[in-house]
Amino acid sequence: QVQLVQSGAEVKKPGASVKVSCKTSGYTFTNFDINWVRQAPGQGLEWMGWMNPNSGDRGYAQKFQGRVSITRDTSISTVYMELSGLRSEDTAIYYCARWEPTGDFNYWGQGTLVSVSS
Amino acid sequence: DIQMTQSPSTLSASVGDRVTISCRASQSVRSRLAWYQHKPGKVPKLLIYQASSLENGVPSRFSGGGSGTEFTLTINSLQPDDFATYYCQQYRTGRTFGPGTKVEIK
Repeated sequence: QVQLVQSGAEVKKPGASVKVSCKTSGYTFTNFDINWVRQAPGQGLEWMGWMNPNSGDRGYAQKFQGRVSITRDTSISTVYMELSGLRSEDTAIYYCARWEPTGDFNYWGQGTLVSVSS
Repeated sequence: DIQMTQSPSTLSASVGDRVTISCRASQSVRSRLAWYQHKPGKVPKLLIYQASSLENGVPSRFSGGGSGTEFTLTINSLQPDDFATYYCQQYRTGRTFGPGTKVEIK
């Protein structure tokens, strides 16, 4: 079965970087884009960016341009999201999600809590 | 970026009610719109894709409509399990979520 398993919770200081992993299984890794979505406490869902694991093509939401980097390791079917210059407002649950041909997210990672505090 | 708005932001309803949530895009997204249900502590659940197609396993009381810039999600005969926050999401250009509509118990 399709699974997306994310790395564990992180606690970071302001200004630091965080790298969250999303290990996939149960399907051909290179056949589906992986996207990243976050939810800050009391806030809505916010799309951050995507990657095509086959080509390596990627795109980012304008808000995160210059601060986010999505990479992959095809040998272990894993996509990474790195966010730099962390501030308290980046405290959120970060999700990876598989992009379906129908144009939606049907499989999600379990979420990774990133807390940013001095 | 395409901006998404939803109304209302909060909706108070009773079990058995018919509720409708509206979603508007800042420019046409054609039918490239999905709806998700999200409950605290859980991952979002896909309900509707391509504006009006019901995801497998989703109860038929959920339906979606619209195209271009105006969309709706309707829940017929609201059930206890339906109290949650609902998000629309466009995928015409990038992917943008609406701000969400919380459906709460009246």
